[in-house]
Amino acid sequence: ETGVTQSPTHLIKTRGQQVTLRCSSQSGHNTVSWYQQALGQGPQFIFQYYREEENGRGNFPPRFSGLQFPNYSSELNVNALELDDSALYLCASSSPDGPNEQFFGPGTRLTVL
Amino acid sequence: AQSVTQPDIHITVSEGASLELRCNYSYGATPYLFWYVQSPGQGLQLLLKYFSGDTLVQGIKGFEAEFKRSQSSFNLRKPSVHWSDAAEYFCAVGPYNNAGNMLTFGGGTRLMVKP
Repeated sequence: ETGVTQSPTHLIKTRGQQVTLRCSSQSGHNTVSWYQQALGQGPQFIFQYYREEENGRGNFPPRFSGLQFPNYSSELNVNALELDDSALYLCASSSPDGPNEQFFGPGTRLTVL
Repeated sequence: AQSVTQPDIHITVSEGASLELRCNYSYGATPYLFWYVQSPGQGLQLLLKYFSGDTLVQGIKGFEAEFKRSQSSFNLRKPSVHWSDAAEYFCAVGPYNNAGNMLTFGGGTRLMVKP
């Protein structure tokens, strides 16, 4: 069974640029959630994708957007990067048919200069 | 609104000593509670979870947690800490059903282990 994978591992961008982060869900999971974890804080929910549609969103501005593909993999896109977007971005996959157990990937560390 | 509070930002214990990490939650329905561990630069690993049944739950790596509804608490314990337990620990709460719902995390407790 393949776990959740994310790419890239690290990324450095400058303010105003755009970034795309990628996530492959665990085998058998068709729901993907994205979280932002700023340094020294707990993860905060960005949004969730199920059946290729956004299925819940946290308190993040529209410049945070996502996609889910037919193979259940997902992308997180952030436009007009700000310094405060520097964080670890975590992807979690789960099955909507059972209990709310989310399995996390290793994360992508984004640094905005 | 749901929330999770982990009152202790940092805890230092000696190797072999017992450990208790505190977690208090606020949730409007029956909570589904989790403890995750995060090593530096890593993702989150699930230690244990609780939804119903026996209020004392066993997890991996020798950890256990006790759900106390009257205190809205879900504290994590380990009888004897190992140096490899040094990490950040997160308590989280969410609904039982996953669809469209997220987990709400506490701010974390950083555990340091003295030799």
